[in-house]
Amino acid sequence: GAVVSQHPSWVICKSGTSVKIECRSLDFQATTMFWYRQFPKQSLMLMATSNEGSKATYEQGVEKDKFLINHASLTLSTLTVTSAHPEDSSFYICSAIFSSSGNTIYFGEGSWLTVV
Amino acid sequence: AQRVTQPEKLLSVFKGAPVELKCNYSYSGSPELFWYVQYSRQRLQLLLRHISRESIKGFTADLNKGETSFHLKKPFAQEEDSAMYYCALRGNSGNTPLVFGKGTRLSVIA
Repeated sequence: GAVVSQHPSWVICKSGTSVKIECRSLDFQATTMFWYRQFPKQSLMLMATSNEGSKATYEQGVEKDKFLINHASLTLSTLTVTSAHPEDSSFYICSAIFSSSGNTIYFGEGSWLTVV
Repeated sequence: AQRVTQPEKLLSVFKGAPVELKCNYSYSGSPELFWYVQYSRQRLQLLLRHISRESIKGFTADLNKGETSFHLKKPFAQEEDSAMYYCALRGNSGNTPLVFGKGTRLSVIA
């Protein structure tokens, strides 16, 4: 099946710094990817829809200047958490639509971010 | 508004017992319904989608539009079924995101 890969799997950064998380579709092209955030023991919360070659669409309450999303190619979307704070610590998950498989959505393995 | 409700946070059953994980939804239109499973330390995996009407790992789910439900069932639970299960929906207009329920942790006791 289709594979979506995230990197890094976990990262620790200092408050005030920025950190970038990559999401790649390894064996298919994805014009649309989605970024989710998951707090411990809670469900996945959609942050934004990432569209190749255009601006991301953010959900209400998600700061677009803080969570920068870039989808520069059909196989790569990046999420940059800028000026990170401890409250940004979370599990970030990306997913991609595989349009050749009935628009099935495949998920990356997730990235743990800890801001200290 | 789109909403997925999974009323049970945790469901514990004995091995060999039947399992039913409940899911109700609200959506103005005809959504696609899914069940995703997340085993310990692994990524989310698609388990079922209602349009496929297939059985995976012995699990089935029937979409009941009258009751707006999409409950997940298995007649005989196995220990390896222990995992986190998420019900999700999305609109059927192509590139729309999934909206998830809060998830139910299934624990199968030997």
